[in-house]
Amino acid sequence: QKEVEQDPGPLSVPEGAIVSLNCTYSNSAFQYFMWYRQYSRKGPELLMYTYSSGNKEDGRFTAQVDKSSKYISLFIRDSQPSDSATYLCAMSSRMDSSYKLIFGSGTRLLVRP
Amino acid sequence: DAGVTQSPTHLIKTRGQQVTLRCSPKSGHDTVSWYQQALGQGPQFIFQYYEEEERQRGNFPDRFSGHQFPNYSSELNVNALLLGDSALYLCASSLGWGWGQSDYEQYFGPGTRLTVT
Repeated sequence: QKEVEQDPGPLSVPEGAIVSLNCTYSNSAFQYFMWYRQYSRKGPELLMYTYSSGNKEDGRFTAQVDKSSKYISLFIRDSQPSDSATYLCAMSSRMDSSYKLIFGSGTRLLVRP
Repeated sequence: DAGVTQSPTHLIKTRGQQVTLRCSPKSGHDTVSWYQQALGQGPQFIFQYYEEEERQRGNFPDRFSGHQFPNYSSELNVNALLLGDSALYLCASSLGWGWGQSDYEQYFGPGTRLTVT
């Protein structure tokens, strides 16, 4: 079993829809949670960064962390065709002085005009 | 503000050869991490450098080695290339080691696509 699970999609939605992307994880030591957006043949771009539980909002993006359920979500409001990309969740813990990021395999999102 | 840069963009090598990839971190960052991303997968951590020392290493063989220079730039070397080493190699930079939550904010470069034939 992978430490971080993510549905590969593809997820296809019409323009303007609210998109929900999710990851589950097994390591309860994870405290730092990130969402990256990756366009085809490009490097990942950091979208959201959350420490511990709770919500964080930035423009059209909202990140949620539920540590009790080991579940994190990214919501995209008023989705645009330019949001079409692969979305990667990543997480890390402070145990054993570890700063490495553990990634999910990514969810491919397609926003139809 | 210059972001993370990597060179070369693409590289084609033959099995058994050696390759060197280069990375310059984001301005103001002093920590460099390297990741390998196979097609359709998330990035996998190779190792991390801070103060010119390898601080952490992922589950990669010794064929993978690195170096960090005094200007914080870094190199990734892979010896005795295998077909399975074909992947996108990503460099990520961050600030500090143990200074706080910013340690975990890693910014990625565009990557080097390595093809081993």
